[in-house]
Amino acid sequence: SSELTQDPAVSGAMGHTVRITCQGDSLRNYYASWYQQKPGQAPVLVISGKNNRPSGIPDRFSGSSSGNTASLTITGAQAEDEADYYCNSRDSSGDHLVFGGGTKLTVL
Amino acid sequence: QVQLQESGPGLVKPSETLSLTCTVSGGSISSYYWSWIRQPPGKGLEWIGYIYYSGSTKYNPSLKSRVTISLDTSKNQFSLKLRSVTAADTAVYYCARNSEQYDFLTGRYFDAFDLWGQGTMVTVPS
Repeated sequence: SSELTQDPAVSGAMGHTVRITCQGDSLRNYYASWYQQKPGQAPVLVISGKNNRPSGIPDRFSGSSSGNTASLTITGAQAEDEADYYCNSRDSSGDHLVFGGGTKLTVL
Repeated sequence: QVQLQESGPGLVKPSETLSLTCTVSGGSISSYYWSWIRQPPGKGLEWIGYIYYSGSTKYNPSLKSRVTISLDTSKNQFSLKLRSVTAADTAVYYCARNSEQYDFLTGRYFDAFDLWGQGTMVTVPS
């Protein structure tokens, strides 16, 4: 099992706000980054660190962190946001990189 | 722009060594961290390890005894060797560029995989 825990599935209505969370002890000391993966494609970085959006990522994607939980928020979810989302950060030792188990987002 | 491309055999026999190469084009490999990540069919992402441009490496503890990642700066390539493979090593293998960054305001570090190869499927028959 991963040291970063994500809900396996999240759903939300189109145009509404959806939040995907990632929990782990290491998140008290390290920020998470977030990746979107669509079927048959490589993951794409959507948020890095506290709340940094790479060029080309819509501003409806945002990140936040509190305690041992990191969150990815999509404000006004679109059909094209339906995908698997993964968080990544460090393990509890801080020496190694880990991914969360992934969350499948369904936009209704 | 910088692109990554994995190459190597798509089929490896049990107990043999899986060997993959990632070619970096459009930019120099002489900076950043360079990682291998895999994804078994229908499952999540697993970080295998990285090599820094200086040559230092770090591996996933669960794979450390079987993994070697190396760098060839003259060819702008880095490579993965995974020894003694079994069917459990069947996966899509990605190479990726990652960076370690520091938030000066909060004193926190974070890592980000900002560039990925398209991935290559490697099958180990059972």
